[in-house]
Amino acid sequence: NAGVTQTPKFQVLKTGQSMTLQCAQDMNHNSMYWYRQDPGMGLRLIYYSASEGTTDKGEVPNGYNVSRLNKREFSLRLESAAPSQTSVYFCASREGPGDRNQPQHFGDGTRLSIL
Amino acid sequence: KNQVEQSPQSLIILEGKNCTLQCNYTVSPFSNLRWYKQDTGRGPVSLTIMTFSENTKSNGRYTATLDADTKQSSLHITASQLSDSASYICVVSGNNDMRFGAGTRLTVKP
Repeated sequence: NAGVTQTPKFQVLKTGQSMTLQCAQDMNHNSMYWYRQDPGMGLRLIYYSASEGTTDKGEVPNGYNVSRLNKREFSLRLESAAPSQTSVYFCASREGPGDRNQPQHFGDGTRLSIL
Repeated sequence: KNQVEQSPQSLIILEGKNCTLQCNYTVSPFSNLRWYKQDTGRGPVSLTIMTFSENTKSNGRYTATLDADTKQSSLHITASQLSDSASYICVVSGNNDMRFGAGTRLTVKP
């Protein structure tokens, strides 16, 4: 039972490079989320997808794009990486947008350093 | 100012001791409050959820309380174990969003 799987686990980029963070869930969840976690701060929402075919901006979307490839997969793309995007990125999923009492299930994160 | 404030930022206790972590929030309207445990190098895992009408909920050695009037919650850990060493994150949901606290880093020493 894999849950939410994120790849890669670690990545080092140079300023200006691009990359895509991958996320897949096997729980048949409708909603998926991308967060970043920085020291001393709570997780901040970058983008989310309430259901397949929809995506919306979160609190800190600048510099990122997302694709909801299908119900299972939700990717996050950095087009031109900046040192301020050094962070740990978490993908999460939840059964549906309608029931706020359902927990989010998180992957184990991608640790991204931008030099 | 973050709408969810947790205290203390970090805490060290001896194995077998109890501890209480605090969460104060200003999120309004309020839908629910959830506590997550995050082990080092892992993603957060849900421990318990509290809705407006609940004021106490237990999950094994973890007991969460909620005072919706004062907008405060606490997480009490009884008879701590080394495996309780982790960050504990308070998350408050409103109508359309979730706000995460910065977490309390708990270290349990033998």
